[in-house]
Amino acid sequence: DTEVTQTPKHLVMGMTNKKSLKCEQHMGHRAMYWYKQKAKKPPELMFVYSYEKLSINESVPSRFSPECPNSSLLNLHLHALQPEDSALYLCASSPMDRGLQAFFGQGTRLTVV
Amino acid sequence: AQSVTQPDIHITVSEGASLELRCNYSYGATPYLFWYVQSPGQGLQLLLKYFSGDTLVQGIKGFEAEFKRSQSSFNLRKPSVHWSDAAEYFCAVGLNAGNNRKLIWGLGTSLAVNP
Repeated sequence: DTEVTQTPKHLVMGMTNKKSLKCEQHMGHRAMYWYKQKAKKPPELMFVYSYEKLSINESVPSRFSPECPNSSLLNLHLHALQPEDSALYLCASSPMDRGLQAFFGQGTRLTVV
Repeated sequence: AQSVTQPDIHITVSEGASLELRCNYSYGATPYLFWYVQSPGQGLQLLLKYFSGDTLVQGIKGFEAEFKRSQSSFNLRKPSVHWSDAAEYFCAVGLNAGNNRKLIWGLGTSLAVNP
């Protein structure tokens, strides 16, 4: 199994809503990532978890809250988002060796209204 | 500072023509290099990677890339492009320094294929 599964595929939320994005992998990777991507732009790193501990937070606003319940799961909790947060949110995982070869999920297309 | 440059923002080729997408990097150590492809609304798929060894690497979908240390380049090539190759292509360098593990991305090259 070389897949990273993200749910939901699409999400529309109001600015006062609370929602969560979910990501799952069963490749035994101990590094997991959240990225935000705008159209025609490269992905922007948001968070990195290494061995289930947050190792990188790229100065992301607190309305985004990551969580890594175990080595297979990664969540991104969303609260009080702004319309400019609308984007494709990508989850990825990689082994701790092998030079950060990242496996990406298909993403969640988030629209904030 | 580490960086990746993809000089061509947009390229159009005819189906069946050859393709070369350029990538230059700035990195102090031996780089881990990647090419990813992204179709509209999709995630990123790894085309190929270079870690060490043979500088000409083969990837999926008939793509290859050559690592040239002297030119700090990792250009992607395909001898004959298919219409389904139209997509966004990203070159990336892997940064792995202690807790600082991340990919540094180029801005991407958008490939259009004429029938």
